[in-house]
Amino acid sequence: AQKITQTQPGMFVQEKEAVTLDCTYDTSDQSYGLFWYKQPSSGEMIFLIYQGSYDEQNATEGRYSLNFQKARKSANLVISASQLGDSAMYFCAMREPNNFNKFYFGSGTKLNVKP
Amino acid sequence: DVKVTQSSRYLVKRTGEKVFLECVQDMDHENMFWYRQDPGLGLRLIYFSYDVKMKEKGDIPEGYSVSREKKERFSLILESASTNQTSMYLCASSHQGEVTEAFFGQGTRLTVV
Repeated sequence: AQKITQTQPGMFVQEKEAVTLDCTYDTSDQSYGLFWYKQPSSGEMIFLIYQGSYDEQNATEGRYSLNFQKARKSANLVISASQLGDSAMYFCAMREPNNFNKFYFGSGTKLNVKP
Repeated sequence: DVKVTQSSRYLVKRTGEKVFLECVQDMDHENMFWYRQDPGLGLRLIYFSYDVKMKEKGDIPEGYSVSREKKERFSLILESASTNQTSMYLCASSHQGEVTEAFFGQGTRLTVV
């Protein structure tokens, strides 16, 4: 079974608007970590935000926030006030300490920000 | 500044060749990973290592092997390269623990002809 599912291969958003990128995960563990990465066209992987399974508050980092719904096993990334530089691939990932701390990644969402 | 360095940015190899992809990290990380990235499939874990000389198979280990003789270096080996191994290969490293992010190298674009 897929550990991480990203159902939006591509998304468009108007500059300055907010956008939500979907991510659902599959684990039977109580303890795990959820991550989002950005990959611009240059190819480097940039860490954006982290949410722990025991964190009660949604994580925020500047314009990025993570909408964590544990019962639904979803960890959606919200980007507020989109900028042209946000155009990139976005990957959701999960880490399970009971599984050797492996990182599992989704298939990614290509975000295009329109001027 | 933390760094994960992959030995080559681009490689072209012939079918049947033995190929070595090298990765070095300078952060004293316990964990190191090799992924391949293909359009529409995201990053798929090939192998990872949680300590020197320790390794675990990921989701797609067939046709690959790895070596970790020193903590800072993790090598991916294609025993006999095939055209279906043409891909982008990404190395990553991290400390142990679910709260720590992984740091990535710049990637190696391998083409097997």
